[in-house]
Amino acid sequence: GENVEQHPSTLSVQEGDSAVIKCTYSDSASNYFPWYKQELGKRPQLIIDIRSNVGEKKDQRIAVTLNKTAKHFSLHITETQPEDSAVYFCAARATTTGGYQKVTFGTGTKLQVIP
Amino acid sequence: GAVVSQHPSRVICKSGTSVKIECRSLDFQATTMFWYRQFPKKSLMLMATSNEGSKATYEQGVEKDKFLINHASLTLSTLTVTSAHPEDSSFYICSATPPWRGPYEQYFGPGTRLTVT
Repeated sequence: GENVEQHPSTLSVQEGDSAVIKCTYSDSASNYFPWYKQELGKRPQLIIDIRSNVGEKKDQRIAVTLNKTAKHFSLHITETQPEDSAVYFCAARATTTGGYQKVTFGTGTKLQVIP
Repeated sequence: GAVVSQHPSRVICKSGTSVKIECRSLDFQATTMFWYRQFPKKSLMLMATSNEGSKATYEQGVEKDKFLINHASLTLSTLTVTSAHPEDSSFYICSATPPWRGPYEQYFGPGTRLTVT
């Protein structure tokens, strides 16, 4: 099955600096890679996603890159703000041999933006 | 749009009893819903895929008889934790994909915190 690794597990940055979170996946059949932000005690919220036919996607201060050959994808947050502090999860989605969609999550990165 | 709700938000039960958690898609029909379990400071672990009108698909290591899933309608899936034990204490989250968001995007419910005493 799919295995998604995520690094680092914790990340502290000064406000205004950039933050980068990296993930690798093992299943070459994975074709969709969402990123979620989860604030303490709240539900995960989709912040950006990328599909396997695209190498990069940007939405204001957030960007995601995908390298299919190397099976890794990254989240980039620029000009970080204190409200960016949260746990971020990467995920990879593939169709299983049983024919259904399965999402496998990374282990999470706790981002702390220091004012 | 794309609101997913869960009920209850918190539940405390005694060991040996059963607890039912509801997941509802409020403004769309969901033929498929997903149930996750999240331990403190840990990632989301997919437990099962709930399919309307058919049996749920459970992930390896998840006990079907312990975690009963019923997807009785296009807007409701239920997870019943049977004969609950303290080790079942966890945060349970469901998700669903609205049809206008294609086959990929998931919207999560607010979660249910289960504490078994």
